[in-house]
Amino acid sequence: DTGVSQNPRHKITKRGQNVTFRCDPISEHNRLYWYRQTLGQGPEFLTYFQNEAQLEKSRLLSDRFSAERPKGSFSTLEIQRTEQGDSAMYLCASSLWGLPNEKLFFGSGTQLSVL
Amino acid sequence: SQQGEEDPQALSIQEGENATMNCSYKTSINNLQWYRQNSGRGLVHLILIRSNEREKHSGRLRVTLDTSKKSSSLLITASRAADTASYFCATDAGGGSEKLVFGKGTKLTVNP
Repeated sequence: DTGVSQNPRHKITKRGQNVTFRCDPISEHNRLYWYRQTLGQGPEFLTYFQNEAQLEKSRLLSDRFSAERPKGSFSTLEIQRTEQGDSAMYLCASSLWGLPNEKLFFGSGTQLSVL
Repeated sequence: SQQGEEDPQALSIQEGENATMNCSYKTSINNLQWYRQNSGRGLVHLILIRSNEREKHSGRLRVTLDTSKKSSSLLITASRAADTASYFCATDAGGGSEKLVFGKGTKLTVNP
C-alpha cells in the first residue's frame, strides 16, 4: 500500500495559464475526492468520483475546473485560465466505499500559486 | 458551506496537559470523523464515531458525541510536542449527499 500520491507537489503558474494535477489513489479504492484548502481553513469539497463516474460537483466550482477519472483509477484536475484566487492547496483523497466506516485517505496535496 | 465548526480556533498547552477540542454541526449525521493535519501536509484520519455511539477511545484519544446537542469533542490526553497540528471534524453533508464536509479546524500547539 503506497498511499495516495499527488503530483506535482508544488506548481507556480502565471494568471491565465492552464494547470493540471494528477492523483493516484490507493489501488483498491473505488471513491476519489478532490478538495481545496486555503490557509487557515478546512478542506472545501470540490468533487468526487465512484469508479469512473463523477457523482457530485460543488456548486462553488466554476466551469474553469474540470476533473476526470478515466478507467476508475487515477484522476486529473484541470484548472483553465487560472486566477489569483485559485491559489490554494489541492487535496486528493480516496476511500473504499461500501464499508460501514468509510474513512478518507489523503495525499500530501498540490500547492498551487498563481502569480 | 461547512457542516462542522470547531472550537477553539487555536489552543496552546504545555506538554503533558490534556487538550480538548469541540465540534458542532447542523444537520443529522450518520457518523462524525476527526482528522489531523500537520502543516503543509494532507489529512490523516484519527477516529470515527457513529451516530448511535456516545463515546469512543483510541490510544490517547477520546471522542464523545452528543447528537441531541449536535456536538462532539476530541480529547487528547498527556499531550506531546508531536501532537502539534490542526485538527478537523468531518461529517456527511446531509440532504442525500455522501460527501464529507470539514470544519475550519482547531490549531493545537503543544509546547515542550
